[in-house]
Amino acid sequence: AQSVAQPEDQVNVAEGNPLTVKCTYSVSGNPYLFWYVQYPNRGLQFLLKYITGDNLVKGSYGFEAEFNKSQTSFHLKKPSALVSDSALYFCAVRAGGRAAGNKLTFGGGTRVLVKP
Amino acid sequence: ETGVTQTPRHLVMGMTNKKSLKCEQHLGHNAMYWYKQSAKKPLELMFVYNFKEQTENNSVPSRFSPECPNSSHLFLHLHTLQPEDSALYLCASSQVWGPNENEQFFGPGTRLTVL
Repeated sequence: AQSVAQPEDQVNVAEGNPLTVKCTYSVSGNPYLFWYVQYPNRGLQFLLKYITGDNLVKGSYGFEAEFNKSQTSFHLKKPSALVSDSALYFCAVRAGGRAAGNKLTFGGGTRVLVKP
Repeated sequence: ETGVTQTPRHLVMGMTNKKSLKCEQHLGHNAMYWYKQSAKKPLELMFVYNFKEQTENNSVPSRFSPECPNSSHLFLHLHTLQPEDSALYLCASSQVWGPNENEQFFGPGTRLTVL
């Protein structure tokens, strides 16, 4: 079974400060890891993914995430947060390889509030 | 986000009603998904269709009946729902394989209220 934990329900940060959203995962074999963002009354939007290669992945809107295999973590980061980054962020995982299918397991979500 | 459309955006129905949710993707994808998003639970995968064939039913009650007539369209037929079925129902699509096979594109969702 695969699972994702986002330990913080909400993260508050001042505009211009660094933003970190935490994610840990459990999966058999090599993980495929993802971050999605959801703005109010909208569907989820893909931000970035880790499949293989460099542990530091860069994505949309200045976000990046670092894959840490030993800590089974994939934390999302942004060096300087904007008020417009306020949204709900989801981490997701699936087992690597085609045989595992295309079933994603999502974390519970972390609400980010960036204050001016 | 216009790549995946969902109708209606809002739906209020009684427990004895029958209604259907529609999803259409214009991205040339061949996998489609239904998710349920409620306030109390994480995003729950309900069904997966690859090349119009159902490959995943995540123990969904039979009062939810999916239909995938082709790779571009996905329906969720609803009947005799319960108030606890009130939620945001999200549709998504992706490639089954290829360099972007794991990037799911989501529609805006249908906000369902069961009275």
